[in-house]
Amino acid sequence: QKEVEQNSGPLSVPEGAIASLNCTYSDRGSQSFFWYRQYSGKSPELIMSIYSNGDKEDGRFTAQLNKASQYVSLLIRDSQPSDSATYLCAVNYGGSQGNLIFGKGTKLSVKP
Amino acid sequence: GAVVSQHPSRVICKSGTSVKIECRSLDFQATTMFWYRQFPKQSLMLMATSNEGSKATYEQGVEKDKFLINHASLTLSTLTVTSAHPEDSSFYICSPVHNHQETQYFGPGTRLLVL
Repeated sequence: QKEVEQNSGPLSVPEGAIASLNCTYSDRGSQSFFWYRQYSGKSPELIMSIYSNGDKEDGRFTAQLNKASQYVSLLIRDSQPSDSATYLCAVNYGGSQGNLIFGKGTKLSVKP
Repeated sequence: GAVVSQHPSRVICKSGTSVKIECRSLDFQATTMFWYRQFPKQSLMLMATSNEGSKATYEQGVEKDKFLINHASLTLSTLTVTSAHPEDSSFYICSPVHNHQETQYFGPGTRLLVL
C-alpha cells in the first residue's frame, strides 16, 4: 500500500526562524511531489511542486527532494505568524492523472 | 493557479435528505474531476474520480449509490449525497484537472453538517 508519512506536530517555531517540514513516501516509483498549505476550515492551496532531486526555491519556501532516501521536505525561511497552518505533503505515484496520495499533514505554529 | 468554485460553501440538513454540491472550473476545461472528503483532523481522502461524459470510479468503501457524481460538462461536476446521515458530515472538496496539467488544484470546499 502506498503511503505518505508526516509528523503530525504541532511544530512550533518563533517568528523569523526557519521551519522545517518533512515527509517520507513508500514507493520508489513516485513521479511528482507537492506541498500544500491548509488553513483551518479551508481547502488546500498549492505551495510548491518538485519533480527532480535537489532543491527548488520559491520566495521564502524551499522544497528538497531525495528520491534515494524517499524523502521530501519543505523549508520556510523567515517564518511569519501567517504561515501557521497545516502543511500537507502529496505524492503522485504516476497513476491516473492528478491522483495524489496525501500525508496527514504537519501542523505548524509560528509564535510572534 | 486554476480558479475553482464550489457551491454551497456550507450546508446544514436533516438526516435522510439529499444534498447536491456543485463544482465549477472557471478558467479551464476539466476532463477529470476528483472528489475528496476530509473529516476533522484527518487528511484528504479520495472518494471518486470522474471523466467528462463517463461514469465515475469510486474508491473502496465509498458507496456509489449514496454519492452520485455527474460530470456532464467540462466545467461542471456535481456530487449528490443521497439520504444523508450524521456520519456523512464532512468537508467535501472537488479537484478538477485538465489532461495536460500535472498540478492539482482544489475547490474551496463544502462543509456538510447532517443533523
